[in-house]
Amino acid sequence: GAVVSQHPSWVICKSGTSVKIECRSLDFQATTMFWYRQFPKQSLMLMATSNEGSKATYEQGVEKDKFLINHASLTLSTLTVTSAHPEDSSFYICSVPGDSTSGNEKLFFGSGTQLSVL
Amino acid sequence: DQQVKQNSPSLSVQEGRISILNCDYTNSMFDYFLWYKKYPAEGPTFLISISSIKDKNEDGRFTVFLNKSAKHLSLHIVPSQPGDSAVYFCAASGPSNTGKLIFGQGTTLQVKP
Repeated sequence: GAVVSQHPSWVICKSGTSVKIECRSLDFQATTMFWYRQFPKQSLMLMATSNEGSKATYEQGVEKDKFLINHASLTLSTLTVTSAHPEDSSFYICSVPGDSTSGNEKLFFGSGTQLSVL
Repeated sequence: DQQVKQNSPSLSVQEGRISILNCDYTNSMFDYFLWYKKYPAEGPTFLISISSIKDKNEDGRFTVFLNKSAKHLSLHIVPSQPGDSAVYFCAASGPSNTGKLIFGQGTTLQVKP
């Protein structure tokens, strides 16, 4: 399966600041990456689909101007939470679809980023 | 609208016994189902999956059963081990949603030594 590296693992920031989260596919090129979010005791919810070379696709209810996604290369996608507020505190996880060998129905996840906004 | 539901928030099992985790779904267009295991502060790791054309898939101690008529799937872990203690998520995808998974709420499994 794919090896996905996500950084940072956790971040604490003041309200109003911006936070950037990086997601790297280490062992194969990913034209698509997915960003999920998990609030405490809830399910993982898809936020957006990151597409290399084009704009990200956001799920209903997710503000594209607040959650900026950049798919800079085939191995890197970044999520920037702009002007973060306490309600944005959550566990953010990126994922990469498997390839034809491992099965592209599967997702391989990064280790996640715990964001706490004070 | 919760399309994938795990109605049991938690399950406690004795080591060596069988763990059965259940999942129900509402969308008949789902054609691929997966189970993920998640430890705190970590991303989910893929465990096992099943296509809608099958009703059973086995991998070592893990077996997933699919009942399409009931829109129900289950994960069996036999024998359960303390290291299996984690949160288990079932997930589903449709034919036009490759890579976009809909997750259940998760079930926390505790395997007691």
